[in-house]
Amino acid sequence: GAVVSQHPSRVICKSGTSVKIECRSLDFQATTMFWYRQFPKQSLMLMATSNEGSKATYEQGVEKDKFLINHASLTLSTLTVTSAHPEDSSFYICSARDRNNEKLFFGSGTQLSVL
Amino acid sequence: QQQVKQSPQSLIVQKGGISIINCAYENTAFDYFPWYQQFPGKGPALLIAIRPDVSEKKEGRFTISFNKSAKQFSLHIMDSQPGDSATYFCAASRGSTLGRLYFGRGTQLTVWP
Repeated sequence: GAVVSQHPSRVICKSGTSVKIECRSLDFQATTMFWYRQFPKQSLMLMATSNEGSKATYEQGVEKDKFLINHASLTLSTLTVTSAHPEDSSFYICSARDRNNEKLFFGSGTQLSVL
Repeated sequence: QQQVKQSPQSLIVQKGGISIINCAYENTAFDYFPWYQQFPGKGPALLIAIRPDVSEKKEGRFTISFNKSAKQFSLHIMDSQPGDSATYFCAASRGSTLGRLYFGRGTQLTVWP
């Protein structure tokens, strides 16, 4: 079945540093990818929609300068958390939509801990 | 504003029993309603999904019941097993924007052996 690889699975960083999370569709092309954020025992909240070759669309309340999204190819989208702070600590999950069959697949998530 | 409301927050069921999780939505533009299963530290995995043109869909032990007029849908897990213990999320989206999913708060299911 289709696989979405998310890397790293876990990252710990110091406050003020930037962290990049990669989301790759391994066996299909994804014109659209989505980034979610999940706090412990909470729901997934959509942060932004990433379209290949164009600017990401951010949900209301999500700082675009804080969470930089790049979707430079049909198989890769990256989320960069800039100048991370402890309140940015969360589980970040990407999903990718197969351009051929419109099916949606989720990555396994990245646990970010900012000290 | 929570676009999809889910209950209960937690559920304990004995092995072999039926687990029932309920969701409600307000936006009548939603036309795709999936259920996801998530294990700790993992991303959600699609279990089953339904569109409003049918009132029920069954796949193995999992059944979705859909009530369009009440704007409610539910997941039934028959013959619940300890391996089903996980967090379950309902979600909704507009078909034209599949992927922009609005999730419920989740139900932590525990199945006792």
